[in-house]
Amino acid sequence: QQPVQSPQAVILREGEDAVINCSSSKALYSVHWYRQKHGEAPVFLMILLKGGEQKGHDKISASFNEKKQQSSLYLTASQLSYSGTYFCGTAVNNDMRFGAGTRLTVKP
Amino acid sequence: DAGVTQSPTHLIKTRGQQVTLRCSPKSGHDTVSWYQQALGQGPQFIFQYYEEEERQRGNFPDRFSGHQFPNYSSELNVNALLLGDSALYLCASSLGRGKLFFGSGTQLSVL
Repeated sequence: QQPVQSPQAVILREGEDAVINCSSSKALYSVHWYRQKHGEAPVFLMILLKGGEQKGHDKISASFNEKKQQSSLYLTASQLSYSGTYFCGTAVNNDMRFGAGTRLTVKP
Repeated sequence: DAGVTQSPTHLIKTRGQQVTLRCSPKSGHDTVSWYQQALGQGPQFIFQYYEEEERQRGNFPDRFSGHQFPNYSSELNVNALLLGDSALYLCASSLGRGKLFFGSGTQLSVL
């Protein structure tokens, strides 16, 4: 079962913040976040393995609430390079299932 | 260290034909997963190979089949191509349940 992402699209100005949400109807053991730029392959951002865990990478961080079966990706002080489509991935068994993606556009 | 490599990069086929896509995983990775990505959509899981066996399969018909070789490289075969099979096919390798490393994909167009 695929996770559900929201919102579908976000438009920001440089320096603004954004939150992307990911939820699942099934129990989650881990959540992955990937970013895909236009015409390129998805690139790994971070993985969250434990309930309540938070991780950060530069000004991009994420949280994982195992009880609520939800994860959120936080982008602070966005830069032009943050533009792309963000996917969350959840692994119930051995395979990774991805959400439909959130298209993030950062404008100058 | 080469990452995940896929070939060919682009392919044009006609309905009813068969196609084989190839993937070489990142060095040290033992697991290969295949995804289909339609324009504007998220990657859809096709199947995963580990130790030369299909370990998990998504909701794709039997026309989609695969293989993993002893060197961990993998092939995706699609028979009796349909127009709806037109998509970007992504191969991703991993070490167990670790993070996925994606190849650049094969863009398949079915006419």
